[in-house]
Amino acid sequence: DAKTTQPTSMDCAEGRAANLPCNHSTISGNEYVYWYRQIHSQGPQYIIHGLKNNETNEMASLIITEDRKSSTLILPHATLRDTAVYYCIVRGSISSGSARQLTFGSGTQLTVLP
Amino acid sequence: DAGITQSPRHKVTETGTPVTLRCHQTENHRYMYWYRQDPGHGLRLIHYSYGVKDTDKGEVSDGYSVSRSKTEDFLLTLESATSSQTSVYFCAISEPAGQGVSYEQYFGPGTRLTVT
Repeated sequence: DAKTTQPTSMDCAEGRAANLPCNHSTISGNEYVYWYRQIHSQGPQYIIHGLKNNETNEMASLIITEDRKSSTLILPHATLRDTAVYYCIVRGSISSGSARQLTFGSGTQLTVLP
Repeated sequence: DAGITQSPRHKVTETGTPVTLRCHQTENHRYMYWYRQDPGHGLRLIHYSYGVKDTDKGEVSDGYSVSRSKTEDFLLTLESATSSQTSVYFCAISEPAGQGVSYEQYFGPGTRLTVT
C-alpha cells in the first residue's frame, strides 16, 4: 500500500469547515483512499472512501486531486464531537495482495475549539 | 458500532498466563481482524480471518494465535502473556463488495489488556 503523509495536528473552530489534507504521492491506479477517525478510547470509525471521483456522504466529503497524489477530507460544520485522530489510508482492491489489511499511520489530531 | 462486541473489555493478568480475547459479530461479515494499538505505533494487524477455519498472519503475529470455528466468533489467544503484549486490542469486521471492489472495516470497542 502507498505511504501517506498527514499533518500531526490541526485546530478548527466549532461550526466552521475542517479541511484535513493527506499526501499519497506514490498511490497506484487500483488503490483507494480511505478515511477513518478514532475518538479517544474508542475503536476507529469508517468515514468515507474514494478512488478517483470526489465523494460525499452524511459525515464528510472527500476531494481527490486529478493526479490522485493528494486528497482532502472535509467536515462541513465541525462540532466538538468531531475532535478525534483522523487517519488517511491507501489500500488496494480485493484483487491485490494487500487488500485485507488496513495500515494506520499516525494520523492528524483534529481539535474542534468552542 | 456495527454489531461487534469484545470480551472482556478490561483484563489484568500475570506474565506467563494464557489469555483469550473474544470478538463476536452479528453482521455475518466474512472477514474478521485483530489489531493492537500502542502509543507511537498506531494500529497494527495481528491476525485476520477470511472465513471459518481460514486465518492468516498479520504484521505482528508472534506470540499470538487465533481461531475461527464459527462465522460470528474470532478468538485471539496469548499462549503465555508477556509485558510487551500490554496493549489495547481491537477487533474489526468487513464484507467484500465484489471482486476488484474495496470495502470498509468496522471496529469493536476494544479490550484493554495489562500484563504485569
